[in-house]
Amino acid sequence: GQQVMQIPQYQHVQEGEDFTTYCNSSTTLSNIQWYKQRPGGHPVFLIQLVKSGEVKKQKRLTFQFGEAKKNSSLHITATQTTDVGTYFCAGPGGSYIPTFGRGTSLIVHP
Amino acid sequence: NAGVMQNPRHLVRRRGQEARLRCSPMKGHSHVYWYRQLPEEGLKFMVYLQKENIIDESGMPKERFSAEFPKEGPSILRIQQVVRGDSAAYFCASSPTGLAYEQYFGPGTRLTVT
Repeated sequence: GQQVMQIPQYQHVQEGEDFTTYCNSSTTLSNIQWYKQRPGGHPVFLIQLVKSGEVKKQKRLTFQFGEAKKNSSLHITATQTTDVGTYFCAGPGGSYIPTFGRGTSLIVHP
Repeated sequence: NAGVMQNPRHLVRRRGQEARLRCSPMKGHSHVYWYRQLPEEGLKFMVYLQKENIIDESGMPKERFSAEFPKEGPSILRIQQVVRGDSAAYFCASSPTGLAYEQYFGPGTRLTVT
């Protein structure tokens, strides 16, 4: 079945530094979603990308979908302690089943 | 506008007992997904249901696990004769469509098997 690979698994940054997580698929994705899960919490939907080369911004977060629709990235500018958590990407696996990456855990040191 | 509700939030069971996990989707959502998450790991798909129908249960163990989403009431994930390896967080998510677009997750049930 389709797999979505996410790197890095962990990322430590100093508060104020930037952060990027990458999501890669071996096959073309019709869409990709990003979620954030705070420690002890549940995944929260952030955004969905559908178009090739699409770029969307949410305040300090920038989401990109590759031209070939096989990869995506999430970039956070000037991290804050509130950004701590695990960021997951998810793409459609089977017809109806999202396939989640393993996530990137962001640790922000004040 | 209530979100996805799950109960109980924490559940402790002894080996061999049954665990029943409940999920009420967001209002207007008729698609429910169940996931399992182990510490430090991602979300593993278990089952996808619509009202009164199991659409895909390919991620659910064939033995001891079952799921339903009746016409009335919440979706239920049932684990019979629990074992220690069943200890995990179980999340349900609901979606307005079944096209694997955005999903809205409940707070999860943390199951501990002693």
